[in-house]
Amino acid sequence: DGGITQSPKYLFRKEGQNVTLSCEQNLNHDAMYWYRQDPGQGLRLIYYSQIVNDFQKGDIAEGYSVSREKKESFPLTVTSAQKNPTAFYLCASSSQQTDRSGSPLHFGNGTRLTVT
Amino acid sequence: EDQVTQSPEALRLQEGESSSLNCSYTVSGLRGLFWYRQDPGKGPEFLFTLYSAGEEKEKERLKATLTKKESFLHITAPKPEDSATYLCAVQSLTTDSWGKLQFGAGTQVVVTP
Repeated sequence: DGGITQSPKYLFRKEGQNVTLSCEQNLNHDAMYWYRQDPGQGLRLIYYSQIVNDFQKGDIAEGYSVSREKKESFPLTVTSAQKNPTAFYLCASSSQQTDRSGSPLHFGNGTRLTVT
Repeated sequence: EDQVTQSPEALRLQEGESSSLNCSYTVSGLRGLFWYRQDPGKGPEFLFTLYSAGEEKEKERLKATLTKKESFLHITAPKPEDSATYLCAVQSLTTDSWGKLQFGAGTQVVVTP
């Protein structure tokens, strides 16, 4: 079955350490996204990539970095510069096609990062 | 700036007790409004897409409606398995990427037997 795989499901890190969250998709989608979810807030866009080797900052990119070396993969690095990294991170992909019956985004099941 | 506000924040229902969730939005030209269901520790699961005022979509006990300023998600005779957080999101006509959505904070629904 096609889908998005995020790993690990839970991640624990000490403050000051960088950490990389994995996201892989086999939907053959061109675009991929990273959203952050905090209690009481809507999902917020961190970074997105519409083609390989290209990506753009979203609304809250500070303290994060990404790469897009392969169409299937879009890893997110949470750096020590991110002031409040503890959150639920969701990776998503999109076909960028007009599909009036469906969702513009397909989500993975998230990685919960806890930094102490 | 696009904004989405969902109310109430939380809703506790008895099984069979119908209710509605509200999603108010401001957007620079609406391309689409989307409803998702999210279970704890999981990614959002797509429910509905609405494109124009007056449009309605139904799926089992759920019905979504759209006006020019808000959308409602009606839950008719809910069952405990309808317990989840329901998310609303909008897509702007001026977006440069299909998957760039503005999300509301969600309504957490608990249905008790």
